[in-house]
Parts: sequence; structure tokens; C-alpha cells
Amino acid sequence: NAGVMQNPRHLVRRRGQEARLRCSPMKGHSHVYWYRQLPEEGLKFMVYLQKENIIDESGMPKERFSAEFPKEGPSILRIQQVVRGDSAAYFCASEGARSYGYTFGSGTRLTVV
Amino acid sequence: KQEVTQIPAALSVPEGENLVLNCSFTDSAIYNLQWFRQDPGKGLTSLLLIQSSQREQTSGRLNASLDKSSGRSTLYIAASQPGDSATYLCAVINGDGGGADGLTFGKGTHLIIQP
Repeated sequence: NAGVMQNPRHLVRRRGQEARLRCSPMKGHSHVYWYRQLPEEGLKFMVYLQKENIIDESGMPKERFSAEFPKEGPSILRIQQVVRGDSAAYFCASEGARSYGYTFGSGTRLTVV
Repeated sequence: KQEVTQIPAALSVPEGENLVLNCSFTDSAIYNLQWFRQDPGKGLTSLLLIQSSQREQTSGRLNASLDKSSGRSTLYIAASQPGDSATYLCAVINGDGGGADGLTFGKGTHLIIQP
């Protein structure tokens, strides 16, 4: 079991470009969560998805951010028209059953220049 | 709204000492509590998971306790080693676990073990 796989590990985008971050959950896990860690800040919940469904997106900024978890393939966090304030580490976590806790990926570090 | 606080924010101790990291949360209606370790530039590694009905969990030199009614958890590290240097994060899942609740994290304790 390769664990939660995130790619790319590092991503550099110019202001105004789009950023696409991918997450493949652990085998057998159908719940995916995205978190953002800003410099000197704690991890903040962004969105919770199951296959083909957004369950809770209460932590997502209202504009430019979207997430999906299609029937086939990884979950995608998409940031349109990136700004410098989007620079952060974005972590994905998956969960099989509540009693076993979360497993996190290694994160994608986004730098907007 | 659940808030998680970790004290101290940073800690530096000589190798071999036993130490305690503290975590408090404002809403005691949690489903479980999870301690993680984060190394610089890396992801999160799960250390211990405590269900709300449990009082403590142990793994090797680590022991985590939970006092749900008072909203507190501690992570005890015995015989600390330089390899224990990392940021330790405490996180809670709210509610009955059946809803769409994510983890609420503290800001972490940055631990340095001096050789």
C-alpha cells in the first residue's frame, strides 16, 4: 500500500496562472480531505469529498478554488488565477473508517511568484 | 466552533529527558483525537489515535492521554532522542463521527532535542 500520494511535491506558478494539485487516497479509502497550511499557521480544513460528491466545502475560499473526486482517478484541487497569498502547503488526507483516523500525504508546496 | 491550543509553542531539551506536550480543546464533544508528527518540509505522520471512550494510548516511547471532560490531552515522550525533533500536532474530530467533520488542528509544538 503506497499510502496517500500527492503530486507534484513542489509547484511554482506565476500570478494569474492555474494550479492543479492531485491526490490519490490509500487503497480502499473513499473519503478525501484537503487542508492548507500557511506559513506560521496551523492546518486549516478546506473540503471533504467522497467519490463524485462534495460533502463539505465550508473551508474553501468562495472564489477561484474548486475540488473534485471523480469516479476514476485522483482527487483534484484546482486554483484559478493564483495570487501570492495562495502560496502554502496543501495536504490531502484519506480515511477508511472513522475509528482508524486519517492518513496524510506528503503535501504539495505551492509557490506563486 | 472548536478551537485547539497547544502549549508550549516551542520546547528545547537535552537528550534523554522525559517531556510532556499539552493540547486543549474548547468543545468536549469530540469523536476522537489524533497526534501527528511533522518534519520540516514533510507531510504528517500519525503517532497515536485516541477514541473518545479511551483514556490513553501507547506506542513505544510515546503515551497519549485524553481527559475529554476537561478538554485536555497530553503526549508524553520518554527518554527523548535527537530524532524526536519535529513539530507535534494535536487534532480532534468533532461530533459523533458520522457527519462531514474534518480535523481541527492546533498550531503545534516545535520540539528540539539537543544531542
